Amino acid sequence: DAMVIQNPRYQVTQFGKPVTLSCSQTLNHNVMYWYQQKSSQAPKLLFHYYDKDFNNEADTPDNFQSRRPNTSFCFLDIRSPGLGDAAMYLCATSRESRGLVTQYFGPGTRLTVL
Amino acid sequence: QKEVEQDPGPLSVPEGAIVSLNCTYSNSAFQYFMWYRQYSRKGPELLMYTYSSGNKEDGRFTAQVDKSSKYISLFIRDSQPSDSATYLCAMSAYTGAGSYQLTFGKGTKLSVIP
Repeated sequence: DAMVIQNPRYQVTQFGKPVTLSCSQTLNHNVMYWYQQKSSQAPKLLFHYYDKDFNNEADTPDNFQSRRPNTSFCFLDIRSPGLGDAAMYLCATSRESRGLVTQYFGPGTRLTVL
Repeated sequence: QKEVEQDPGPLSVPEGAIVSLNCTYSNSAFQYFMWYRQYSRKGPELLMYTYSSGNKEDGRFTAQVDKSSKYISLFIRDSQPSDSATYLCAMSAYTGAGSYQLTFGKGTKLSVIP
Protein backbone atom coordinates (compact mmCIF):
# COMPACT_ATOMS: atom_id res chain seq x y z
CA ASP A 1 0.00 0.00 0.00
CA ALA A 2 1.15 3.51 -0.76
CA MET A 3 1.99 5.29 2.45
CA VAL A 4 3.96 7.79 4.48
CA ILE A 5 6.62 6.25 6.71
CA GLN A 6 8.40 7.95 9.57
CA ASN A 7 11.48 6.75 11.38
CA PRO A 8 12.11 6.35 14.17
CA ARG A 9 8.70 6.20 15.85
CA TYR A 10 10.26 7.22 19.15
CA GLN A 11 13.43 9.25 19.59
CA VAL A 12 15.13 10.19 22.82
CA THR A 13 17.89 12.78 22.75
CA GLN A 14 19.79 14.89 25.19
CA PHE A 15 19.46 18.61 25.57
CA GLY A 16 21.55 20.23 22.84
CA LYS A 17 22.37 17.01 21.00
CA PRO A 18 21.45 17.20 17.29
CA VAL A 19 18.78 14.85 16.07
CA THR A 20 17.44 13.92 12.63
CA LEU A 21 13.99 12.57 11.91
CA SER A 22 13.18 10.97 8.58
CA CYS A 23 10.12 10.66 6.40
CA SER A 24 9.64 8.65 3.23
CA GLN A 25 6.64 8.30 0.97
CA THR A 26 5.55 5.91 -1.75
CA LEU A 27 2.67 8.15 -2.92
CA ASN A 28 4.86 10.09 -5.37
CA HIS A 29 3.44 13.34 -4.03
CA ASN A 30 5.28 16.51 -4.86
CA VAL A 31 4.55 18.38 -1.63
CA MET A 32 5.92 17.31 1.75
CA TYR A 33 5.24 18.96 5.10
CA TRP A 34 6.64 18.84 8.61
CA TYR A 35 4.38 19.61 11.56
CA GLN A 36 5.07 19.83 15.26
CA GLN A 37 2.28 18.69 17.57
CA LYS A 38 2.47 19.16 21.31
CA SER A 39 0.14 17.46 23.72
CA SER A 40 -3.50 18.55 23.31
CA GLN A 41 -2.55 21.09 20.69
CA ALA A 42 -3.17 21.46 16.98
CA PRO A 43 -0.42 20.39 14.59
CA LYS A 44 1.73 23.40 13.81
CA LEU A 45 3.27 23.67 10.35
CA LEU A 46 7.04 24.12 10.49
CA PHE A 47 7.84 24.13 6.76
CA HIS A 48 7.00 22.43 3.52
CA TYR A 49 8.61 21.54 0.22
CA TYR A 50 6.81 22.16 -3.03
CA ASP A 51 8.93 19.94 -5.25
CA LYS A 52 12.42 21.17 -4.40
CA ASP A 53 11.30 24.59 -3.27
CA PHE A 54 11.59 25.05 0.48
CA ASN A 55 8.97 27.16 2.25
CA ASN A 56 9.65 28.09 5.85
CA GLU A 57 6.93 29.32 8.17
CA ALA A 58 7.73 32.75 9.58
CA ASP A 59 7.68 31.61 13.19
CA THR A 60 9.67 28.38 12.77
CA PRO A 61 12.81 28.65 14.92
CA ASP A 62 16.19 28.60 13.18
CA ASN A 63 16.98 25.52 15.25
CA PHE A 64 14.81 23.54 12.84
CA GLN A 65 16.13 22.71 9.38
CA SER A 66 14.96 20.40 6.64
CA ARG A 67 16.37 18.56 3.67
CA ARG A 68 14.66 16.89 0.76
CA PRO A 69 17.25 14.97 -1.27
CA ASN A 70 14.65 13.47 -3.62
CA THR A 71 10.90 13.17 -4.14
CA SER A 72 10.52 10.28 -1.73
CA PHE A 73 12.52 11.42 1.28
CA CYS A 74 12.46 14.39 3.60
CA PHE A 75 14.43 14.98 6.81
CA LEU A 76 13.89 17.20 9.82
CA ASP A 77 17.06 18.29 11.60
CA ILE A 78 16.92 19.82 15.05
CA ARG A 79 20.32 21.34 15.60
CA SER A 80 20.23 21.91 19.35
CA PRO A 81 17.09 20.44 20.90
CA GLY A 82 15.69 22.16 23.93
CA LEU A 83 13.19 20.83 26.44
CA GLY A 84 10.49 22.81 24.66
CA ASP A 85 11.08 20.86 21.46
CA ALA A 86 9.72 17.66 22.96
CA ALA A 87 6.70 16.87 20.82
CA MET A 88 5.24 14.61 18.16
CA TYR A 89 6.64 15.44 14.73
CA LEU A 90 4.35 14.65 11.85
CA CYS A 91 5.28 14.34 8.20
CA ALA A 92 2.56 14.76 5.60
CA THR A 93 2.40 14.68 1.81
CA SER A 94 0.03 15.99 -0.82
CA ARG A 95 -0.25 16.25 -4.55
CA GLU A 96 -0.77 19.86 -5.49
CA SER A 97 -3.66 20.56 -7.75
CA ARG A 98 -6.09 23.34 -8.46
CA GLY A 99 -8.66 22.05 -6.09
CA LEU A 100 -8.87 20.05 -2.93
CA VAL A 101 -5.48 19.15 -1.60
CA THR A 102 -5.63 16.24 0.78
CA GLN A 103 -2.70 15.77 3.10
CA TYR A 104 -1.71 12.27 4.07
CA PHE A 105 0.04 11.92 7.39
CA GLY A 106 2.64 9.50 8.65
CA PRO A 107 2.38 7.93 12.11
CA GLY A 108 4.66 10.54 13.65
CA THR A 109 7.90 10.50 15.61
CA ARG A 110 7.61 11.22 19.30
CA LEU A 111 10.67 13.16 20.45
CA THR A 112 11.75 13.20 24.08
CA VAL A 113 14.46 15.63 25.20
CA LEU A 114 16.28 14.79 28.44
CA GLN B 1 -8.57 35.45 18.05
CA LYS B 2 -7.28 32.18 16.62
CA GLU B 3 -8.25 31.42 13.05
CA VAL B 4 -9.87 28.10 14.02
CA GLU B 5 -11.54 27.46 17.36
CA GLN B 6 -12.43 23.97 18.52
CA ASP B 7 -13.70 22.88 21.92
CA PRO B 8 -11.03 20.48 23.22
CA GLY B 9 -13.47 18.51 25.37
CA PRO B 10 -12.92 15.88 26.57
CA LEU B 11 -16.26 14.50 25.47
CA SER B 12 -17.53 11.22 26.89
CA VAL B 13 -20.65 9.52 25.51
CA PRO B 14 -22.30 6.10 25.85
CA GLU B 15 -22.12 3.65 22.97
CA GLY B 16 -24.87 4.31 20.42
CA ALA B 17 -25.13 8.02 21.15
CA ILE B 18 -25.08 10.72 18.50
CA VAL B 19 -21.96 12.85 18.77
CA SER B 20 -21.68 16.44 17.59
CA LEU B 21 -18.25 18.02 17.14
CA ASN B 22 -17.89 21.65 16.12
CA CYS B 23 -15.44 24.27 14.94
CA THR B 24 -15.71 27.95 14.18
CA TYR B 25 -13.36 29.95 11.99
CA SER B 26 -12.65 33.53 11.16
CA ASN B 27 -10.76 33.42 7.85
CA SER B 28 -13.08 33.85 4.88
CA ALA B 29 -10.32 32.60 2.57
CA PHE B 30 -10.76 29.02 3.76
CA GLN B 31 -12.08 26.99 0.87
CA TYR B 32 -11.95 23.37 2.00
CA PHE B 33 -13.06 21.90 5.27
CA MET B 34 -11.85 18.60 6.62
CA TRP B 35 -12.18 16.36 9.61
CA TYR B 36 -9.26 14.23 10.69
CA ARG B 37 -9.32 11.44 13.26
CA GLN B 38 -6.23 10.86 15.37
CA TYR B 39 -5.85 7.82 17.52
CA SER B 40 -3.51 8.00 20.47
CA ARG B 41 0.15 8.17 19.38
CA LYS B 42 -0.76 7.98 15.70
CA GLY B 43 -0.83 10.47 12.85
CA PRO B 44 -4.09 12.12 11.78
CA GLU B 45 -6.13 10.31 9.12
CA LEU B 46 -8.58 12.08 6.86
CA LEU B 47 -12.21 11.22 7.61
CA MET B 48 -14.18 13.59 5.44
CA TYR B 49 -13.83 16.76 3.45
CA THR B 50 -16.18 19.23 1.83
CA TYR B 51 -15.96 22.59 0.14
CA SER B 52 -19.49 23.87 -0.02
CA SER B 53 -22.09 24.80 2.54
CA GLY B 54 -24.46 21.98 3.35
CA ASN B 55 -24.22 18.38 4.49
CA LYS B 56 -22.09 15.49 3.28
CA GLU B 57 -22.76 12.01 4.53
CA ASP B 58 -20.47 8.98 4.66
CA GLY B 59 -21.84 6.02 6.55
CA ARG B 60 -22.28 6.99 10.18
CA PHE B 61 -20.51 10.32 9.66
CA THR B 62 -22.03 13.58 8.45
CA ALA B 63 -20.02 16.73 7.84
CA GLN B 64 -21.86 20.03 7.85
CA VAL B 65 -20.57 23.41 6.72
CA ASP B 66 -22.24 26.78 7.18
CA LYS B 67 -20.03 29.34 5.46
CA SER B 68 -22.29 32.26 6.33
CA SER B 69 -21.82 31.54 10.03
CA LYS B 70 -18.24 30.26 9.63
CA TYR B 71 -19.18 27.10 11.45
CA ILE B 72 -18.54 23.44 10.69
CA SER B 73 -19.72 20.29 12.41
CA LEU B 74 -19.13 16.55 12.35
CA PHE B 75 -21.92 14.26 13.48
CA ILE B 76 -21.32 10.63 14.37
CA ARG B 77 -24.38 8.41 14.56
CA ASP B 78 -24.52 5.17 16.52
CA SER B 79 -21.14 5.89 18.06
CA GLN B 80 -18.87 2.92 18.75
CA PRO B 81 -15.99 2.43 21.19
CA SER B 82 -13.72 2.28 18.14
CA ASP B 83 -14.67 5.92 17.46
CA SER B 84 -12.77 6.93 20.60
CA ALA B 85 -10.07 9.27 19.33
CA THR B 86 -9.23 12.93 18.96
CA TYR B 87 -11.08 14.64 16.13
CA LEU B 88 -9.38 17.56 14.47
CA CYS B 89 -11.10 19.99 12.17
CA ALA B 90 -8.90 21.48 9.48
CA MET B 91 -9.39 24.13 6.84
CA SER B 92 -7.33 25.01 3.85
CA ALA B 93 -6.71 28.13 1.87
CA TYR B 94 -4.63 28.68 -1.24
CA THR B 95 -1.43 30.44 -0.23
CA GLY B 96 -0.07 31.08 -3.68
CA ALA B 97 3.21 29.55 -4.85
CA GLY B 98 1.15 26.52 -5.86
CA SER B 99 0.34 25.25 -2.41
CA TYR B 100 -2.48 25.09 0.06
CA GLN B 101 -2.01 25.44 3.79
CA LEU B 102 -3.98 23.57 6.39
CA THR B 103 -4.99 25.24 9.62
CA PHE B 104 -6.03 22.81 12.33
CA GLY B 105 -8.23 23.14 15.34
CA LYS B 106 -6.84 21.87 18.64
CA GLY B 107 -8.91 18.70 18.43
CA THR B 108 -11.72 17.29 20.55
CA LYS B 109 -10.95 14.13 22.49
CA LEU B 110 -13.88 11.75 22.29
CA SER B 111 -14.44 8.68 24.43
CA VAL B 112 -17.28 6.28 23.63
CA ILE B 113 -18.07 4.16 26.64
CA PRO B 114 -19.37 0.59 26.01
